[in-house]
Amino acid sequence: ETGVTQTPRHLVMGMTNKKSLKCEQHLGHNAMYWYKQSAKKPLELMFVYNFKEQTENNSVPSRFSPECPNSSHLFLHLHTLQPEDSALYLCASSQVAGGPGVRDTQYFGPGTRLTVL
Amino acid sequence: AQTVTQSQPEMSVQEAETVTLSCTYDTSESDYYLFWYKQPPSRQMILVIRQEAYKQQNATENRFSVNFQKAAKSFSLKISDSQLGDAAMYFCAYRSGTGGGADGLTFGKGTHLIIQP
Repeated sequence: ETGVTQTPRHLVMGMTNKKSLKCEQHLGHNAMYWYKQSAKKPLELMFVYNFKEQTENNSVPSRFSPECPNSSHLFLHLHTLQPEDSALYLCASSQVAGGPGVRDTQYFGPGTRLTVL
Repeated sequence: AQTVTQSQPEMSVQEAETVTLSCTYDTSESDYYLFWYKQPPSRQMILVIRQEAYKQQNATENRFSVNFQKAAKSFSLKISDSQLGDAAMYFCAYRSGTGGGADGLTFGKGTHLIIQP
């Protein structure tokens, strides 16, 4: 499955570092999403971008800063993270325009495993 | 807010047998979509099957089928002729149908499916 790619696949960073996660979708979609998957919680929606505009911020701390320069690329900039931010970060995309059968299915990337020391 | 509950943290089934994974959800909306995703050890989230709430007919995809009971807010997944490759975490997810199109998914905690050879 190469429709949605994420880099890097693994990242270890200290609490004072600044790093970025990258997501790219090759499906021609126009909506992109960031999710966080922690060991002890269900997958949590973080951000939604619809046609490059942020439409949802699910009460995410400001140390996570998303950026969507175009419909194909999504970044998550990280700074001053805490150890509890260690998790698998998943990117997804979907097609918003079109009929219900087209627009409602989200396709996921392989994730970035983040460890904060 | 919508919630999704998967009451079976782990299920085990013999190869070639049939297994049913349970999912219930809570919503006040009448228009929504339901999904089952599979997450194997590679961590790639893969869509298994989707169901539109307005459709009474249960969705099927080869060996995978759902039992959608809208009044009971139940959405179970049946896997027939279980194969070793079916071993994974299975997540039930809900998406609102009343938004503009780019809505995040609400996930259950997942069911770990083990296939016994």
